[in-house]
Amino acid sequence: AQTVTQSQPEMSVQEAETVTLSCTYDTSENNYYLFWYKQPPSRQMILVIRQEAYKQQNATENRFSVNFQKAAKSFSLKISDSQLGDTAMYFCAFMKYTGANSKLTFGKGITLSVRP
Amino acid sequence: DGGITQSPKYLFRKEGQNVTLSCEQNLNHDAMYWYRQDPGQGLRLIYYSQIVNDFQKGDIAEGYSVSREKKESFPLTVTSAQKNPTAFYLCASSFRDGPYEQYFGPGTRLTVT
Repeated sequence: AQTVTQSQPEMSVQEAETVTLSCTYDTSENNYYLFWYKQPPSRQMILVIRQEAYKQQNATENRFSVNFQKAAKSFSLKISDSQLGDTAMYFCAFMKYTGANSKLTFGKGITLSVRP
Repeated sequence: DGGITQSPKYLFRKEGQNVTLSCEQNLNHDAMYWYRQDPGQGLRLIYYSQIVNDFQKGDIAEGYSVSREKKESFPLTVTSAQKNPTAFYLCASSFRDGPYEQYFGPGTRLTVT
């Protein structure tokens, strides 16, 4: 079974600065996907970024980028130029690539606070 | 607008009653999922369905039931057999054959007293 670990329960960052959220996972699979989801106080889960394991290039989406280290089974999220609207819980998630049975396994999340 | 709707946003029930949570999507997604979220925990999968009239148990299916009679709809029933039903419930959907990212509804907060 796959496990996803987010060891930092809370983090805080000053507005406009950069912050990195850590995530590690355990799997014996070679083909899989990794995701970061954001859950603001409204509790709506929003997809932030995704990474395919077969791609060596790290994914980026505007101010959000990942550092994917497949051998180390590490998948961290970097948020640049932090904004107040980035305040949220962030969940790392793993999906084994099985085509028709694509289940997500989530970490326990990290609460990020952006200070004005 | 395309999206996933869940109703109601807040739901209150007495212990011993069954309750059904609604989930509808108009994204033409094949697969639908139900998750439960408790404080301090990530999301845990209750049930999922890849096609109409077929569904599978997730990691915490005991005390829950689902149906998938239409592609757009995947209601979840929380039965009286569920020992700790008070939680935040999230519905999600995705394409069955990719891309695989799941999109979520706004959630339903269920309180059982």
